[in-house]
Amino acid sequence: NAGVTQTPKFQVLKTGQSMTLQCAQDMNHEYMSWYRQDPGMGLRLIHYSVGAGITDQGEVPNGYNVSRSTTEDFPLRLLSAAPSQTSVYFCASSQRPVGDTYNEQFFGPGTRLTVL
Amino acid sequence: AQKITQTQPGMFVQEKEAVTLDCTYDTSDQSYGLFWYKQPSSGEMIFLIYQGSYDEQNATEGRYSLNFQKARKSANLVISASQLGDSAMYFCAMREGRGGGSEKLVFGKGTKLTVNP
Repeated sequence: NAGVTQTPKFQVLKTGQSMTLQCAQDMNHEYMSWYRQDPGMGLRLIHYSVGAGITDQGEVPNGYNVSRSTTEDFPLRLLSAAPSQTSVYFCASSQRPVGDTYNEQFFGPGTRLTVL
Repeated sequence: AQKITQTQPGMFVQEKEAVTLDCTYDTSDQSYGLFWYKQPSSGEMIFLIYQGSYDEQNATEGRYSLNFQKARKSANLVISASQLGDSAMYFCAMREGRGGGSEKLVFGKGTKLTVNP
């Protein structure tokens, strides 16, 4: 298993450019999430999905779009990049829990994005 | 108001000693879960330990244990016998609500632990 993979690892954009951060997992996990990490901060939830065709907003969704057409993939789109979106982006996945049990989130290695 | 508070921006510990990293949380839900993650300088997020709100026993995983005090809303991470490889950022996180997975975590700002030889 490759686990959670993210591409690219590094990206530099100019203000106003658009791009898609890719995230894929091969563990057949239903739940997937996107987080951003800024210096001195913990991770903040951008968008999440509990299954193919189902997405919802997290704490900081503005400026980002997501879609979930397959179980495996959960791309994050920046429609018009802004310097405030300079950050490290993490994708994560987990199994659907049963009752009150938990399932560990598996994190990808992250994408370091700089917007000039 | 912050839902997860980690009051120690940085901590230092001598190798082989134990260290406690503080975490307090704020929620009105009866069902919730608390997580600790380690982030080394290489940047990946590594799951360490989980405590559910209904768990009566404190969680333990090897050298990691979670000191869960529900009434005080605290979930401190205890690392015993610190090793140089424990030097990293440590994040406390919470999942609120019943039946949810770990897809909607709220993170604290982290504590940077440095283990000295």
